[in-house]
Amino acid sequence: GDSVTQMEGPVTLSEEAFLTINCTYTATGYPSLFWYVQYPGEGLQLLLKATKADDKGSNKGFEATYRKETTSFHLEKGSVQVSDSAVYFCALKGSGGYNKLIFGAGTRLAVHP
Amino acid sequence: ETGVTQSPTHLIKTRGQQVTLRCSSQSGHNTVSWYQQALGQGPQFIFQYYREEENGRGNFPPRFSGLQFPNYSSELNVNALELDDSALYLCAIIDRGGSTYEQYFGPGTRLTVT
Repeated sequence: GDSVTQMEGPVTLSEEAFLTINCTYTATGYPSLFWYVQYPGEGLQLLLKATKADDKGSNKGFEATYRKETTSFHLEKGSVQVSDSAVYFCALKGSGGYNKLIFGAGTRLAVHP
Repeated sequence: ETGVTQSPTHLIKTRGQQVTLRCSSQSGHNTVSWYQQALGQGPQFIFQYYREEENGRGNFPPRFSGLQFPNYSSELNVNALELDDSALYLCAIIDRGGSTYEQYFGPGTRLTVT
């Protein structure tokens, strides 16, 4: 079945460092791909999305490109801030009927001043 | 702004009891999904409701059930609670605006089963 694999955390960075969080997926057909962020004590917020191959999703300085040839959707940010500290989830929605999202296990990011 | 709300925020129950969790949004959306997020894990899909009918279910037993009301608010009911049911329960509404598809999540209800 469909699945998502993320790099294990925690990822610890200094402020203004470059961020990459790896995400790969297994799916039949043409899934849509998402990154969600979860701040402490809160629910999930959609960060960005891509619905077809070679699409680039971007938001708040974060970017991810849908790479069908490598089945990847890595999250990047050029300069992280302390306020980016959170847990990041990669997710896919399969090309089937209903709107089930399949999530990775999450990657915790800690940014220090 | 979808304004998804969930109640209660926190809940403590005893093994074997039953619990009802609630979800609503400021603007009516006819599709709602529920997810279970165990500590340190990603959310797992429980089921989805569309126009008051369940139309998709994940790998959860029948003691997890739901309702969706004409105003599109929703309930998740769990019977015969087990310790492993302790988790954050999230509901999400589906925004079908334009040609895109997005799910917007509520803040969740944290359930502790003792």
